[in-house]
Amino acid sequence: QQPVQSPQAVILREGEDAVINCSSSKALYSVHWYRQKHGEAPVFLMILLKGGEQKGHDKISASFNEKKQQSSLYLTASQLSYSGTYFCGTGGGDDKIIFGKGTRLHILP
Amino acid sequence: NAGVMQNPRHLVRRRGQEARLRCSPMKGHSHVYWYRQLPEEGLKFMVYLQKENIIDESGMPKERFSAEFPKEGPSILRIQQVVRGDSAAYFCASSPGSPGYTNTEAFFGQGTRLTVV
Repeated sequence: QQPVQSPQAVILREGEDAVINCSSSKALYSVHWYRQKHGEAPVFLMILLKGGEQKGHDKISASFNEKKQQSSLYLTASQLSYSGTYFCGTGGGDDKIIFGKGTRLHILP
Repeated sequence: NAGVMQNPRHLVRRRGQEARLRCSPMKGHSHVYWYRQLPEEGLKFMVYLQKENIIDESGMPKERFSAEFPKEGPSILRIQQVVRGDSAAYFCASSPGSPGYTNTEAFFGQGTRLTVV
């Protein structure tokens, strides 16, 4: 079951904040966030494991609400370099990660 | 430590030909995953392999597609008798453990962009 990401696309001005949500219809053991720029490989951002975990580095952070089977990625004071497509991947206790369709983020100067 | 290496980066095949996509995981990584990505779509899971074993191929079409990860050498995704609908970017990822339920990240290669003409 593919996780659902929202919104599908976001346009921001540099310095604005964004929240990207990821929800699943099945129980989750882990949530993985990646960013992909056009024509490039997805780049790992962070993993969150079950238990209400929150993580962050620089101005990108994420939370994981296992009861609601949801995760959110927070981008604070966005920079031009944050542009790209953000994917959440969910681990359901087996060995694979299932990815959502992505959220396209475009930052304007 | 080199990253995940995929080759070729671009592959053009005529309908009916075979496509072979190669993936060398990062050193020390024994788990390999193949994903397919269509324009404006997410990363669709195809198959998960460990050395000499296919662990999960639930996302791979039953016909024309096969994958292997031999004891020596890269993992190979093979598509026989390609059709136009096979045109996509194929990404390989590797990890040292099982990212589905452990604190283990998967690293992606640059992908192979297959075009069927």
